Amino acid sequence: GAVVSQHPSWVICKSGTSVKIECRSLDFQATTMFWYRQFPKQSLMLMATSNEGSKATYEQGVEKDKFLINHASLTLSTLTVTSAHPEDSSFYICSARDGRVHYGYTFGSGTRLTVV
Amino acid sequence: GESVGLHLPTLSVQEGDNSIINCAYSNSASDYFIWYKQESGKGPQFIIDIRSNMDKRQGQRVTVLLNKTVKHLSLQIAATQPGDSAVYFCAEKNTGNQFYFGTGTSLTVIP
Repeated sequence: GAVVSQHPSWVICKSGTSVKIECRSLDFQATTMFWYRQFPKQSLMLMATSNEGSKATYEQGVEKDKFLINHASLTLSTLTVTSAHPEDSSFYICSARDGRVHYGYTFGSGTRLTVV
Repeated sequence: GESVGLHLPTLSVQEGDNSIINCAYSNSASDYFIWYKQESGKGPQFIIDIRSNMDKRQGQRVTVLLNKTVKHLSLQIAATQPGDSAVYFCAEKNTGNQFYFGTGTSLTVIP
């Protein structure tokens, strides 16, 4: 089946630094990837839709300059949290659409970001 | 749009009993729905899906019911096991291929 790998699984960084999270589709090409954020005991919130070779589409209220998304290849999308602050601490999850399968969406295992 | 919950509803069931988890979705134009299971510290795990042209779909020990009239989904788990303890989310897909998640329900199975 389709596998999506997310790296790192956990990262701790200092306030003011930037952190990059990678999302890879291992055995399929993903023309579209999605980034979600999840705070403790809350639901997943869609942040942005990432299309290969084009600019990401951000949900209302998500700062595009703070959460930089790059989808440079059909198997890799990256989310960079710039100038991270403690309030950015969250669980970030990506999902990728497998175009070979109708309605084929697979989630990564998530990245826990802690900003200290 | 998105649905964010401040507190997860909880459901406790005895091992072996059936569980029913409910979800209300927001967009009448959503054409596809998925139930996910999420264990602590992990990403969502696909359980079962249903398209909007169906009202029921069965999997192994799980059944999803869709009522488009009232925009309601339910997930039924038969013979609930301790390994079923997790948070369950429903997700609706809009015509733009984006998924929006419901609040989630925390299921605890009592041995």
